[in-house]
Amino acid sequence: AQSVTQLDSHVSVSEGTPVLLRCNYSSSYSPSLFWYVQHPNKGLQLLLKYTSAATLVKGINGFEAEFKKSETSFHLTKPSAHMSDAAEYFCVVSESGGTSYGKLTFGQGTILTVHP
Amino acid sequence: ETGVTQTPRHLVMGMTNKKSLKCEQHLGHNAMYWYKQSAKKPLELMFVYSLEERVENNSVPSRFSPECPNSSHLFLHLHTLQPEDSALYLCASSLAPGPAAAFFGQGTRLTVV
Repeated sequence: AQSVTQLDSHVSVSEGTPVLLRCNYSSSYSPSLFWYVQHPNKGLQLLLKYTSAATLVKGINGFEAEFKKSETSFHLTKPSAHMSDAAEYFCVVSESGGTSYGKLTFGQGTILTVHP
Repeated sequence: ETGVTQTPRHLVMGMTNKKSLKCEQHLGHNAMYWYKQSAKKPLELMFVYSLEERVENNSVPSRFSPECPNSSHLFLHLHTLQPEDSALYLCASSLAPGPAAAFFGQGTRLTVV
């Protein structure tokens, strides 16, 4: 079984300051991990993915995430927030084993607010 | 633009109506999914199709009926819905088999009155 916990439901930062969105996961098999972003009234857009290659993953729009197996974490970071980063972010896990058929399990989401 | 298109974008229907949601992808993906996104809840997987065969039905009520006529199209037929079924319904596709990044459509905002 797999699960995802996003530790903060809301994060608020000032423009130009670093962003940290926290995610912990649980998985019976080797997981693939993703971060998706959802802007208001829009669908989900893939930011980045980890699939057992390099543990530090770079994504679009300056975001990156580090896979830490010992901590079962996959936190999302960005050095400097931009107003356009304001959105809801979802951490997602998918198991590599079993018959998952690419089943994605979503966290509850973190709403990022960026202040001028 | 992710390559996954959903229509309609918005739908209001009565509890006795029958309507269908449509999803289309031309990414060459073999797996397609329906997800439900309700307020204050994580996304819920409803159905998974792999190579046009339904491989997962996540305990979804029978008033939701999926159809996958080919690998590019996915439908969700709705009948006798309840107000609590109001939500954003998201379609996604991915390469199959196994876990892979899914590409999502923009969703259909469904309101049941």
